[in-house]
Amino acid sequence: QKEVEQDPGPLSVPEGAIVSLNCTYSNSAFQYFMWYRQYSRKGPELLMYTYSSGNKEDGRFTAQVDKSSKYISLFIRDSQPSDSATYLCAMSPARGYQKVTFGTGTKLQVIP
Amino acid sequence: EAGVAQSPRYKIIEKRQSVAFWCNPISGHATLYWYQQILGQGPKLLIQFQNNGVVDDSQLPKDRFSAERLKGVDSTLKIQPAKLEDSAVYLCASSLDLVETQYFGPGTRLLVL
Repeated sequence: QKEVEQDPGPLSVPEGAIVSLNCTYSNSAFQYFMWYRQYSRKGPELLMYTYSSGNKEDGRFTAQVDKSSKYISLFIRDSQPSDSATYLCAMSPARGYQKVTFGTGTKLQVIP
Repeated sequence: EAGVAQSPRYKIIEKRQSVAFWCNPISGHATLYWYQQILGQGPKLLIQFQNNGVVDDSQLPKDRFSAERLKGVDSTLKIQPAKLEDSAVYLCASSLDLVETQYFGPGTRLLVL
């Protein structure tokens, strides 16, 4: 079993839809949770960085962590064609980026 | 502010050849990371530097991979000899320090034939 599981998609939604991206994990030591966006042929870009359980909002993006279920989510409201990319979840037992484990990524396509 | 620069962007080599990648981090960033991203997978950390010292190289295949960061600024990652399974995108990232946001470069796509 992989430490971090993420549905690879692809996920196709119409413009304006609410998108839900999810990851599950098995390592209870993970305390810090991240979401990255990766456009084709580009490096990943950090979108959200959260600690422990709860919600964090940044514009159209909301990150949600449920440590009791070992489940994290990223919601995108009012999705735009420019949101079309691969979204990677990542998590770590410690603050910083040294022991980060990435998911495999979910490819999202927002159709105009 | 200039981002993380990497070169070359693409490289095709035959197995058993050697190859080197170069990374220039964002100015002033003390921490530098090299990742390997195989198609369809998330990035895997190969090595992390803090200034010119190694913080973590536990996942670096040291029999064939080497990396250095002389003078604590730019860095090179070398593979010698390359294997077919080394085909991947090699990403460089940098951050101000160990816990600040990391910024990725565009990556170098390596194809080993």
